[in-house]
Amino acid sequence: NAGVMQNPRHLVRRRGQEARLRCSPMKGHSHVYWYRQLPEEGLKFMVYLQKENIIDESGMPKERFSAEFPKEGPSILRIQQVVRGDSAAYFCASVGQSSNTGELFFGEGSRLTVL
Amino acid sequence: QKEVEQNSGPLSVPEGAIASLNCTYSDRGSQSFFWYRQYSGKSPELIMSIYSNGDKEDGRFTAQLNKASQYVSLLIRDSQPSDSATYLCAGDSSYKLIFGSGTRLLVRP
Repeated sequence: NAGVMQNPRHLVRRRGQEARLRCSPMKGHSHVYWYRQLPEEGLKFMVYLQKENIIDESGMPKERFSAEFPKEGPSILRIQQVVRGDSAAYFCASVGQSSNTGELFFGEGSRLTVL
Repeated sequence: QKEVEQNSGPLSVPEGAIASLNCTYSDRGSQSFFWYRQYSGKSPELIMSIYSNGDKEDGRFTAQLNKASQYVSLLIRDSQPSDSATYLCAGDSSYKLIFGSGTRLLVRP
């Protein structure tokens, strides 16, 4: 059962390092969302991608954050020069092209800790 | 800024009671609404969707939508300790979901 796969599940970085989070959508799904969840808070939209195209990045911080979804391979969320405030759970969700926007299938998340 | 608002709780109910979770939203353009359940340390999972005014029932769950009042609710009948989780309300907005901060539900045995 190939659900949404995220890795790493846990990542520890020191301030100033780079974090790369990967997401492989469900088989047959061509659209990916990234959300961030701070402790005891809800999910905050970051970016919406389809293969080789960023559809909506209105939730992405203007600096240090980038995302891509190449033709081959997983979607990647990249955080450069991490700061303590980047510590959070980052969830990826996928949806099929013809599926309802709200029927998102979430991965288990990548939990980033910045020391 | 389009928002979805929820009371953070915790909402504590005894086993067997009805749990009522509420949500309001600001984007009048939102057409579809969803309830996701999230256990501690886990990922959200979809439990209910509702697209038109009125009630929608699925087993022990009933979702209610009132677009005029911009109000969404979720009722859980015969609450079980296994229902203890955070419930996230979400509305669609321009091809993405906007989530509330979630309501933590605690069902006491």
